[in-house]
Amino acid sequence: AQKITQTQPGMFVQEKEAVTLDCTYDTSDQSYGLFWYKQPSSGEMIFLIYQGSYDEQNATEGRYSLNFQKARKSANLVISASQLGDSAMYFCAMSYSRLNSGGSNYKLTFGKGTLLTVNP
Amino acid sequence: EAGVAQSPRYKIIEKRQSVAFWCNPISGHATLYWYQQILGQGPKLLIQFQNNGVVDDSQLPKDRFSAERLKGVDSTLKIQPAKLEDSAVYLCASSLDLRGNYGYTFGSGTRLTVV
Repeated sequence: AQKITQTQPGMFVQEKEAVTLDCTYDTSDQSYGLFWYKQPSSGEMIFLIYQGSYDEQNATEGRYSLNFQKARKSANLVISASQLGDSAMYFCAMSYSRLNSGGSNYKLTFGKGTLLTVNP
Repeated sequence: EAGVAQSPRYKIIEKRQSVAFWCNPISGHATLYWYQQILGQGPKLLIQFQNNGVVDDSQLPKDRFSAERLKGVDSTLKIQPAKLEDSAVYLCASSLDLRGNYGYTFGSGTRLTVV
């Protein structure tokens, strides 16, 4: 079964330093997508970055980069130059396809999250 | 473009009462999702619609939960009767299509407390 594992319940980082949030996934599918979302205390899920399983280059979006190691099935999020506003829950998620009576469908499954605290 | 709209933002009810949540996805997004997020956990998919049809409701507790998307646009999720363990944030999300490769956009959620 598809599974996302985030082993760090909480992480602390000093402002302006870089931090890596770990994510490993389990799938036997060849085609899948990996996402990172940020959830502040206000509750909304904010999309950060996406990596397709066939993408050879690591995805980058501003201060966010995804360290994709396909053979190790890991998709770690790197945040450079942390800011106080980065304090939030961070979720790794994977989309994968499944056949059902209506055809091919894509499901999005989440890890348990990592609570990042940025200290001044 | 406007985001995914959800209401109410907060709701407190007693157990065995009923409650309904509303979601309006991004205009043009064919696929709509309802997720349940219990405190300290990641979101869990309850039900997925493609236009006005259900694609996946395998994790929806159908004895008490129901959802509809009659005109293929906005959607309602209902719980009747509510239990204490239903206390959670209910997130609505939408995507352009079933593949979700253009991303999933989430609403701000409805925080339900059952007492």
